[in-house]
Amino acid sequence: DVKVTQSSRYLVKRTGEKVFLECVQDMDHENMFWYRQDPGLGLRLIYFSYDVKMKEKGDIPEGYSVSREKKERFSLILESASTNQTSMYLCASRPGRSLQYFGAGTRLSVL
Amino acid sequence: AQTVTQSQPEMSVQEAETVTLSCTYDTSENNYYLFWYKQPPSRQMILVIRQEAYKQQNATENRFSVNFQKAAKSFSLKISDSQLGDTAMYFCAFRSGGTSYGKLTFGQGTILTVHP
Repeated sequence: DVKVTQSSRYLVKRTGEKVFLECVQDMDHENMFWYRQDPGLGLRLIYFSYDVKMKEKGDIPEGYSVSREKKERFSLILESASTNQTSMYLCASRPGRSLQYFGAGTRLSVL
Repeated sequence: AQTVTQSQPEMSVQEAETVTLSCTYDTSENNYYLFWYKQPPSRQMILVIRQEAYKQQNATENRFSVNFQKAAKSFSLKISDSQLGDTAMYFCAFRSGGTSYGKLTFGQGTILTVHP
């Protein structure tokens, strides 16, 4: 079974903190994605990566950055968390031209 | 850019009955894929069904089937014999058939509640 693991299910941070959301996949997938899920808006793509150290902006990259130093790990970084970044964050990975596999999500609250 | 629209924020159905969730999309591409994902309270996204745009035949997976109308850019999901375990958020999603690294564009989601 493909496993996409997000390090935290729930996270509470303060405004201005630097926040790291980690995602690890165990199947050597090339492509990895970070989505943000908000009520009434569905899932929106923040960033994706198609190889180690390679990244591309998605639809809503503002306020976020990413890091992919190893193939299995894709990190989403909030340099200075703000209350409007309170949301559910979903990571996904995809091998080649196949389906996307999702993690269980991290619900982030920024106070 | 592609857009996906789910116009039903919430739906409800009685157990054992049939329900249809609507989805429309907009694209200028001819080669693409469409998906329905289910997100139960556990938050784990589960692929329900997928459709390749070049296939005229509607996809079917057990109790789940789609009505794919390419000209109308419509992709509805029919759930037959609804079960309590079908209660979840359902997302319609689009993926380009070109070199897009598999990015998905999602609709807003429909919360489905199955009542006993």
